[in-house]
Amino acid sequence: KNEVEQSPQNLTAQEGEFITINCSYSVGISALHWLQQHPGGGIVSLFMLSSGKKKHGRLIATINIQEKHSSLHITASHPRDSAVYICAVRSGGQNFVFGPGTRLSVLP
Amino acid sequence: GAGVSQSPSNKVTEKGKDVELRCDPISGHTALYWYRQSLGQGLEFLIYFQGNSAPDKSGLPSDRFSAERTGGSVSTLTIQRTQQEDSAVYLCASSHGTANIQYFGAGTRLSVL
Repeated sequence: KNEVEQSPQNLTAQEGEFITINCSYSVGISALHWLQQHPGGGIVSLFMLSSGKKKHGRLIATINIQEKHSSLHITASHPRDSAVYICAVRSGGQNFVFGPGTRLSVLP
Repeated sequence: GAGVSQSPSNKVTEKGKDVELRCDPISGHTALYWYRQSLGQGLEFLIYFQGNSAPDKSGLPSDRFSAERTGGSVSTLTIQRTQQEDSAVYLCASSHGTANIQYFGAGTRLSVL
């Protein structure tokens, strides 16, 4: 069992739809990181959280420490949101373990 | 510069040669990370520097890999006697402390022929 799992693996949505990407992990963590990797390869950090919920624009990230689960929500999705979304957890030291990513395609 | 800068952006080398990859973090960022992303694979942690503390080298795949960070700023990742399986995109990120989000460079695409 991988330490970090994401679902779905691939997701296609219509513009305007509400999107949820899930991340589950099997180890105790000190922080969880959501990243966005654009089709060209560039990576942007979206959120780092250790509890509760964070919101930035149309993006919302939540984490449930007891259930070892985090979700990334995108409201009013747009084609420019098309990217791979990656969950990463820090469990000990500063070593981040990355999930396999969720490939999102938002169609106009 | 305003962001994390990596050089070169692309590097093609022959098997057995040594390569050096450079990372200029955002000014003032104390934490610096190196990651690797092989073709079609996920991100893999390599090494982490924080201030003047000893680096966390737990992710380095072999003793052919080493990294240093001079003066708490620029970092160099060195791969000795490169192998074909070293071909990947090497990414550097920096952050202001360890509790904050990381800012990624554009990466160096290494191809070992």
